[in-house]
Amino acid sequence: AQKVTQAQTEISVVEKEDVTLDCVYETRDTTYYLFWYKQPPSGELVFLIRRNSFDEQNEISGRYSWNFQKSTSSFNFTITASQVVDSAVYFCALDGGTGNQFYFGTGTSLTVIP
Amino acid sequence: SQTIHQWPATLVQPVGSPLSLECTVEGTSNPNLYWYRQAAGRGLQLLFYSVGIGQISSEVPQNLSASRPQDRQFILSSKKLLLSDSGFYLCAWSVQRGLTDTQYFGPGTRLTVL
Repeated sequence: AQKVTQAQTEISVVEKEDVTLDCVYETRDTTYYLFWYKQPPSGELVFLIRRNSFDEQNEISGRYSWNFQKSTSSFNFTITASQVVDSAVYFCALDGGTGNQFYFGTGTSLTVIP
Repeated sequence: SQTIHQWPATLVQPVGSPLSLECTVEGTSNPNLYWYRQAAGRGLQLLFYSVGIGQISSEVPQNLSASRPQDRQFILSSKKLLLSDSGFYLCAWSVQRGLTDTQYFGPGTRLTVL
């Protein structure tokens, strides 16, 4: 079965703090893809990153970084020096390689307090 | 570049009334198209996806239907709305590939059924 768990429902941090959003996934596929999306208050989901199951290298993009660990089935997302504009709901998603079925977690609502 | 449009942006409808939500994509050909619903709990539920004109796959049985009359047009419909149909409806597209590709989301339609 395919499943994504985001155990953190809501997180609040003070501006400039670092914050890590957890994502744990379940799949029996050997080839799969993981994604992170950001949903600001406007509602549109904004694509942040895609990672395939054969690439365990960590990725850094500005203040964002992602830690993919197959051994623990986790794909965690860290925001460094958080800003108010980072306030949003963040979704982790899994695709088993068919391209037609994304499994989304329930999202983590991040509030950055100025 | 590719863009995805949805309309209307917001809609308030009485129970039992019909529904038609439209999604169009520009700047790409033969995309995969998807309809998702996001209820108050924030999770995304895949409703329909389409790999081509007239080809619709339903993921969840409900009183909704989808159609794809043109390559880049995807329509979500209902003959009689229920209170439980309230939510945020998101359309997404992806490039058709052998495995997977990132899904890109539209701005969404917020539907309230009274």
